Amino acid sequence: SQQGEEDPQALSIQEGENATMNCSYKTSINNLQWYRQNSGRGLVHLILIRSNEREKHSGRLRVTLDTSKKSSSLLITASRAADTASYFCATDTDRGSTLGRLYFGRGTQLTVWP
Amino acid sequence: DSGVTQTPKHLITATGQRVTLRCSPRSGDLSVYWYQQSLDQGLQFLIQYYNGEERAKGNILERFSAQQFPDLHSELNLSSLELGDSALYFCASSSSGAPNEQFFGPGTRLTVL
Repeated sequence: SQQGEEDPQALSIQEGENATMNCSYKTSINNLQWYRQNSGRGLVHLILIRSNEREKHSGRLRVTLDTSKKSSSLLITASRAADTASYFCATDTDRGSTLGRLYFGRGTQLTVWP
Repeated sequence: DSGVTQTPKHLITATGQRVTLRCSPRSGDLSVYWYQQSLDQGLQFLIQYYNGEERAKGNILERFSAQQFPDLHSELNLSSLELGDSALYFCASSSSGAPNEQFFGPGTRLTVL
């Protein structure tokens, strides 16, 4: 089963508005990552937040992590039409010899209208 | 450009056939991961190799196999293909150190007719 689940499934906003996507997960994590995917293309790594971090910024991106609630949010400020894509959260949960695999959610489809 | 290359970009084949997908990781990355993305299952981890050795297995069917060669490129072999195997197959690579930021290739779109 999927480890992470994004919410909402789809989000439609105007350029200049902020977009917030949420991710919930089930088990303890080493870190949580957000990826972006343009239609049918490869995933692009956006940002990684470690389990002992609460907030991280990268340009127009802000990620928060609440390990007590097992949830994370991705905020894109001042959105642009070029931000239109699917956004996935991925959790890194394994320990020891199997360290490495990522568990992805179903993604949030973001549409930004000009 | 992530630095991870995958070939071919598209593959159209018939049921029962066998195909090989190839991946070259980023220079210096020892870990290679294979993922399958389909509409009904989403993004699923298939298998991981680290410096030539199998490290972890996920939801990989017995009809599928993979290997990583001494030059660190990897191949995913899919045999006795079924309609349901139609999907995007991604390869990702990462360096050996933590944390595990993975860099994805552009994917191979497999269509089984």
